[in-house]
Amino acid sequence: DMQMTQSPSSLSASVGDRVNITCQASQDISHYLSWYQQKPGKAPKLLIYDASNLETGVPSRFSGSGSGTDFTFTISSLQPEDIATYYCQQYNSLPRTFGQGTKLEIK
Amino acid sequence: QVQLVQSGAEVKKPGASVRVSCKAFGYTFTAYYMHWVRQAPGQGLEWMGRINPNPNSGGTNYAQKFQGRVTMTRDTSISTAYMELNSLRSDDTAVYYCARASSGSYNYWGQGTLVTVSS
Repeated sequence: DMQMTQSPSSLSASVGDRVNITCQASQDISHYLSWYQQKPGKAPKLLIYDASNLETGVPSRFSGSGSGTDFTFTISSLQPEDIATYYCQQYNSLPRTFGQGTKLEIK
Repeated sequence: QVQLVQSGAEVKKPGASVRVSCKAFGYTFTAYYMHWVRQAPGQGLEWMGRINPNPNSGGTNYAQKFQGRVTMTRDTSISTAYMELNSLRSDDTAVYYCARASSGSYNYWGQGTLVTVSS
């Protein structure tokens, strides 16, 4: 199975900070990667698909980059409403696999 | 608008089975794969499998971990997908989500169904 290694597992940052989360695939997955935001008690929400495409309606402070095995998710200016857990997910192959998640907190 | 509405919370005893439903609204049900993902309390997301709702298919793919214990089906007449998990154990306690796949990404999710396994 494809392993997705996400880091860090938790992150504390201040409002206005630039935040980066990385995700590494155990094999080449081309651009078949999504990023999700999950708030407590809610279903995940798609933010980024195909590694770098912003889902409709998602604020432009969110972005994604990378291809192959190394990917980065960025929040350009952290807002209080961005407090959540973020997951990467590959869809290059079955079984689909998720990263372990990054819990983002406000400092 | 697109909505996935899941059935309500369940409490089951170890060894029992559970069936969770996911009713689709606002799009052509047969045009998109439906996936199932679960999340144990305080844990991450775990992919369980998918079903092709096409009337000529109904084909499924399951995660190795659940092979032999999970069955995914669909009823195209009522735009509903089902996930049945058998031989429940305490570590099956989780929120179960259905999610519509669009070119691989999950752009729509159900609200989640909490399944509690307890004696």
